[in-house]
Amino acid sequence: GAVVSQHPSRVICKSGTSVKIECRSLDFQATTMFWYRQFPKQSLMLMATSNEGSKATYEQGVEKDKFLINHASLTLSTLTVTSAHPEDSSFYICSSPGGLDTQYFGPGTRLTVL
Amino acid sequence: SQQGEEDPQALSIQEGENATMNCSYKTSINNLQWYRQNSGRGLVHLILIRSNEREKHSGRLRVTLDTSKKSSSLLITASRAADTASYFCATGLGAGTALIFGKGTTLSVSS
Repeated sequence: GAVVSQHPSRVICKSGTSVKIECRSLDFQATTMFWYRQFPKQSLMLMATSNEGSKATYEQGVEKDKFLINHASLTLSTLTVTSAHPEDSSFYICSSPGGLDTQYFGPGTRLTVL
Repeated sequence: SQQGEEDPQALSIQEGENATMNCSYKTSINNLQWYRQNSGRGLVHLILIRSNEREKHSGRLRVTLDTSKKSSSLLITASRAADTASYFCATGLGAGTALIFGKGTTLSVSS
């Protein structure tokens, strides 16, 4: 099946710094990429939808100026958490839709903000 | 936003027993999917059932879907310790749309 990779798998940063998370489709063209966030012991919440070459669409309550999404190519979407704070510590997962209602999920990135 | 509730939130059973998890959702759907997540890890797709299907099997998994009640169940038969994980249902509106996840059930299977 199609593969989506994420980098880094884990990142620890200091409060106030920015962190970039990359999501790559390795063997297919990802026109659309979804970004989810999962807090400890909770479920996945959709944050935003990015489409190649256009602005991302954010879910209600997600600050677009804090979570910058760029989808400049058909194989790469990035999520930058700007001025990260401890409450941004979470598991971030990307996914891209495939055919027949499938979704290809990345393995996730664990962000810890100190 | 989340689609609905999963029941129970946590389930502890012995190896060999069956585990049943339920999922309710709020809106009309095109399909419903079940995923497994081991602690701190990514998602593993288990099974997809479409809105025009009522039951589906895959190995030790059996999924039912009742669109009139907006609910689904996942049955894992003859559970194993390796089945210990969190299980999430997720609903989809069709090709190219994001999934909306339920709150999940944490399953613990002891040997």
